[in-house]
Amino acid sequence: AQSVTQPDIHITVSEGASLELRCNYSYGATPYLFWYVQSPGQGLQLLLKYFSGDTLVQGIKGFEAEFKRSQSSFNLRKPSVHWSDAAEYFCAVVEGGFKTIFGAGTRLFVKA
Amino acid sequence: ETGVTQTPRHLVMGMTNKKSLKCEQHLGHNAMYWYKQSAKKPLELMFVYNFKEQTENNSVPSRFSPECPNSSHLFLHLHTLQPEDSALYLCASSQPGSGNEQFFGPGTRLTVL
Repeated sequence: AQSVTQPDIHITVSEGASLELRCNYSYGATPYLFWYVQSPGQGLQLLLKYFSGDTLVQGIKGFEAEFKRSQSSFNLRKPSVHWSDAAEYFCAVVEGGFKTIFGAGTRLFVKA
Repeated sequence: ETGVTQTPRHLVMGMTNKKSLKCEQHLGHNAMYWYKQSAKKPLELMFVYNFKEQTENNSVPSRFSPECPNSSHLFLHLHTLQPEDSALYLCASSQPGSGNEQFFGPGTRLTVL
């Protein structure tokens, strides 16, 4: 069965530092890949997506992610973190049709 | 404003109560979803509706009963719930053919006493 793994349950970074959140997936074909962000008390908001083409995708709020087929990874990056980026981040893969598989999430803490 | 609204935002109910959660999307999408989000667990897909037809029921107990009267509205009817059903229930919508990019509502925080 398809799966998505986010190995880090939580990460703490200093404001202004760079960030990388890891995501690995298990899927036979070329997947549709997503990163969503969830602030406390809110629903999920799409940050970026990868369907095909350029493996480096740009998203909102200064985030980017790189698809690496050889590593089955889709890691999320940001060069300089802001305090407002503190939230939970979810990687997701579309299994087929309407079924999206979400990772367990990574909680990001930002320290001043 | 995400374009997907959910009411109520918070709900406390007893195990013998009957209540309903409502979701409305203003995005013109044709697919709608219910998810359950519990602490320390991945997001769980419960139901999917596409053009008002249910296309996915992820082995959800019958005490949860979805209803989709049209492509803009989705309900989740609740009866005789258990305390372990306490969670954040999220509604989402998408447009078929968009790669399943989903737009989420803010959720209903449900507490079952």
